[in-house]
Order: sequence, then C-alpha cells, then structure tokens
Amino acid sequence: GENVEQHPSTLSVQEGDSAVIKCTYSDSASNYFPWYKQELGKRPQLIIDIRSNVGEKKDQRIAVTLNKTAKHFSLHITETQPEDSAVYFCAARRDYKLSFGAGTTVTVRA
Amino acid sequence: GAVVSQHPSWVICKSGTSVKIECRSLDFQATTMFWYRQFPKQSLMLMATSNEGSKATYEQGVEKDKFLINHASLTLSTLTVTSAHPEDSSFYICSATRTGEGYEQYFGPGTRLTVT
Repeated sequence: GENVEQHPSTLSVQEGDSAVIKCTYSDSASNYFPWYKQELGKRPQLIIDIRSNVGEKKDQRIAVTLNKTAKHFSLHITETQPEDSAVYFCAARRDYKLSFGAGTTVTVRA
Repeated sequence: GAVVSQHPSWVICKSGTSVKIECRSLDFQATTMFWYRQFPKQSLMLMATSNEGSKATYEQGVEKDKFLINHASLTLSTLTVTSAHPEDSSFYICSATRTGEGYEQYFGPGTRLTVT
C-alpha cells in the first residue's frame, strides 16, 4: 500500500515567518494530495489540495508544490499567525483511499 | 454544502459492551464512506471503506467481526464496536465522498470512545 512520510514532526516559528512541511509518498499511482489542519479534538480541515497533473497551487498565504518525479510534495505557509498553530497532515490518495502522514505540530510564537 | 455529522460525539462504555457510531452525510449522497481511527497524538489510520449496499472493505489488521460496518443508505453508515475493550478507546472519524466525485473527502466531527 501507499506509504507517506512527513517531516518535521514539530515546527516552531516566529509569527510572521514562513513554515514548510515536506512529505514523500511511495506509490507513483497516487493522484491527489490534500493537506489538512487539525485542532485538538476536532475534525481534519482541508486547507489546500493538489492533483497529480499540477505542479503548484496557491491560496492566499498557503501554497503546495508537487514533484511527481521525486514523489514529494510540500506545504508552504507564509506570514504565519498564532491561529496557524495546529497539527498539519499531508495525505496521498490512491484508488479512492487516503494514506496520511504522521503529522506536524506547528507552533507559531507571538 | 458537504456536511457530515457523527453521533454520538463522545461515549463512555464498559468493557465487553457494544457501541454503535453513526455517520451521516446531511446535504449530499455518499456512495462511499470511510472510517478512521486516531489515537492521541497520532495520525488517522483507515479502518475500512464502506460502500452503500455492499460489504465493507477492511484494511489489513482490522478485525471485521469486531468492527461491524453497515452502509444501508446513501446518507448513513454505522460502525459498531463489539465487545469493546480499553484498547479500543480512541477517536473515530468518518468521511464521505460525494456520489459521482472521487477526490475530496468530507470529514465528520469524530466520536470519542472511552472504554472503562
């Protein structure tokens, strides 16, 4: 099955700085790569996604890049704010099923 | 649109009893629903894929006789944890995809199960 690795496991940034989270996947047949933000005890919230036929996508302060050849994708958050503090998960979809990375706990220091 | 609800939001039960969790798509039809389990400070692990009108497909290592899944309609899937034990205590989250779409999964709010 698909194996998704996510780094780093924790990330502390100063407010206003950028945060980058990287994921790699193993199955070249994966074709959809969403990123989720999850607050404690809450449901995962989709923040951005990218399909395998696109290399980059941006939505305001959030961007995702995908390198299909290297099988890795990254989340970039610019101008971080305290409300960006949460756990972020990457995922890869193959045959309708999502495989999740282990998660990154992001802390934005005011 | 694309709202998924779960009931109950939390439940405490005694060891050996069974618990049923409901997952509903409120404003769309969901041919496929997914059940995940999330232990504290860990990731979401897919337990099974639930298809309306057919048997669920379980992931490797998930006991189908212990985690009974029923997807009787296009808006409702249920997960029953049978003979629950303390190690089954976890956060159970369902998700659903719209019929005719295959990409985005819409997640329910989760059910916190505590087995004493």
